[in-house]
Amino acid sequence: QVQLQQWGAGLLKPSETLSLTCAVYGGSFSAYYWGWIRQPPGKGLEWIGEVNHSGSTNYNPSLKSRVTISVDTSKSQFFLKLSSVTAADTAVYYCASSRGYSGTWYYRFDHWGQGSLVTVSA
Amino acid sequence: DIQMTQSPSSLSASVGDRVTITCQASQDISNYLNWYQQKPGKAPKLLIYDASNLETGVPSRFSGSGSGTHFTFTISSLQPEDIATYYCQQYDNVVPYTFGQGTKLDIK
Repeated sequence: QVQLQQWGAGLLKPSETLSLTCAVYGGSFSAYYWGWIRQPPGKGLEWIGEVNHSGSTNYNPSLKSRVTISVDTSKSQFFLKLSSVTAADTAVYYCASSRGYSGTWYYRFDHWGQGSLVTVSA
Repeated sequence: DIQMTQSPSSLSASVGDRVTITCQASQDISNYLNWYQQKPGKAPKLLIYDASNLETGVPSRFSGSGSGTHFTFTISSLQPEDIATYYCQQYDNVVPYTFGQGTKLDIK
């Protein structure tokens, strides 16, 4: 049973860096890619990026210049940093498994964290 | 990026009704499509993967079909607990993954 628990600062000022942590409990950390998705208030879902256990990353081109996703396999944790935030980055941020391996790779967000509301305001 | 267009954007139906949501991809994505349910204040939940496969533990009243560019999500008999927003998501070419804009479903 894979469970994800996330945390991080909830209120930022414009130009600051958003930092979130997601801890994975259960399952095999190396059998998944781990990703971040965000949802502005009242709006839809936007994929931010993903990382695997060896640190290989993929990012949404729309955010690539400001995003860093990293991993600490010793703690089964992965991290999101988003620099130079503005009010447009106000959203609930979710961590999730983005793909898994069970003999072959499969692609779906099947395990989710609880979500973290991040508000950017002066 | 592949664009996903869902319709309708909102829908009201009665308990017991058959409900259908469609998702159109901007290019052929084979069966590389998943469906999620999101209730207010909660994380999305995977319901259907690879267009038509029911995730373990999901009630059989939920189903999905389609391939190529046109996909359908169906609730065969709407229950009160199905009130939520539903999203499609594609993974053709793997990244970037993209979602439809969502369909908000409520009870009439």
